[in-house]
Formats: sequence, structure tokens, C-alpha cells
Amino acid sequence: QKEVEQDPGPLSVPEGAIVSLNCTYSNSAFQYFMWYRQYSRKGPELLMYTYSSGNKEDGRFTAQVDKSSKYISLFIRDSQPSDSATYLCAMSKAAGNKLTFGGGTRVLVKP
Amino acid sequence: GAGVSQSPRYKVAKRGQDVALRCDPISGHVSLFWYQQALGQGPEFLTYFQNEAQLDKSGLPSDRFFAERPEGSVSTLKIQRTQQEDSAVYLCASRYGVAGTGELFFGEGSRLTVL
Repeated sequence: QKEVEQDPGPLSVPEGAIVSLNCTYSNSAFQYFMWYRQYSRKGPELLMYTYSSGNKEDGRFTAQVDKSSKYISLFIRDSQPSDSATYLCAMSKAAGNKLTFGGGTRVLVKP
Repeated sequence: GAGVSQSPRYKVAKRGQDVALRCDPISGHVSLFWYQQALGQGPEFLTYFQNEAQLDKSGLPSDRFFAERPEGSVSTLKIQRTQQEDSAVYLCASRYGVAGTGELFFGEGSRLTVL
């Protein structure tokens, strides 16, 4: 079993809907949690970065971390076709340390 | 350059051939990582450099994989005697600092196909 699990999707939503993504993990040593967006044939780009449990909001994006449940979420409000991509969760045990990624969830936002 | 540059973008190799993949990190970035991303999967850590020092190579899958960063800038990932299971996108990422929450910037990757 992988340390970080993520539903591969695809997740198809109409434009304007809320996209809800999540990951579960097994290693309680993870302290730093990230969400990356990856367009086809491109490298991942950082969307959100959170430390320990709690919520963080940035524009249309909200990241939540529940360390007691080993569960993290990303919500995208007012989704746009340009949000169509693969979303990867990632986590590390220390700041700046190597990242452990989930398998990614492919999201399709239909106009 | 403005971002992390990787070359070649695409490489086709016959099984048993050696390949070399190059990474040009953002100028001044101290930390450099290599990740392997199989089709439909998330990236998996291969190795980490701090300047020219390879501090972690625990993710290299076999002794056929070798990475170097001799002058603390450009890095090369070499795969000897390639196998079909080596087919993947190899991503390079760099960060300005050694530790802390500085953003990790990824290149577009080198897509290796082994026939």
C-alpha cells in the first residue's frame, strides 16, 4: 500500500461548480502538505502549501488538513475550463525535505 | 533562464542503451531534486543535491541509475543499460534555499521511452 492515496478520477464537473479533491496518508510523520497542478506534458506547479492541521485559502482555492484523520483536501470554487488538469497532493516530513506524492486526480471542467 | 530547463524533452532508447538527461536549474538555486513519473502516476523521489553534494540517493531504483552535479549548477541523470521499466518522465526541480518553505520549481521533464 502506498504512503499517500489519491483517487485517480477522472472527475468531471460543469463550469462554475466546486471541485473537491482529497488524499489520505498513512505516515503520521508528514508535517507539510502541498497541492500541485500539472497540465499535460508539463511539470507540476505549486498551488497551495500548508503546515500541520488547519485551513488555508488563496483566491478560489481552499486547502484543508486534518492530521488526526490523516486526510487532506483541496476545494476549487467557481471552476473554469482552464482548471482542467491533474492535481497532485504531496507531503514531506520536514520543510524542504523530499516530497511524497499521491498518484494524482485528473479533473475535467466542461464549459 | 527563467525556469528549470531539461533536455532532451523526448528520448527514445533501445533496451540496453545508456542515456543521459540534463537539468539546468534556476540560476542560484542551491537545492536540486530528480523525480521519476510513470504514466498515470505521481512523481517519485530519486535523488537530492545541495550544491554539488548528493545528500540523498535513496530513491534511485538500481545501480544502473547515477546522478551528478559536479559544479553545483547543471545536473545529469544517467541511466545505464536501459530497461523497458525505465520508461517514464524524469522531472528535475530546484529551490533557492536548503530548507524552509521556499517553493520548489519543476522543469517540464524528459520523457524516456525504452523499446
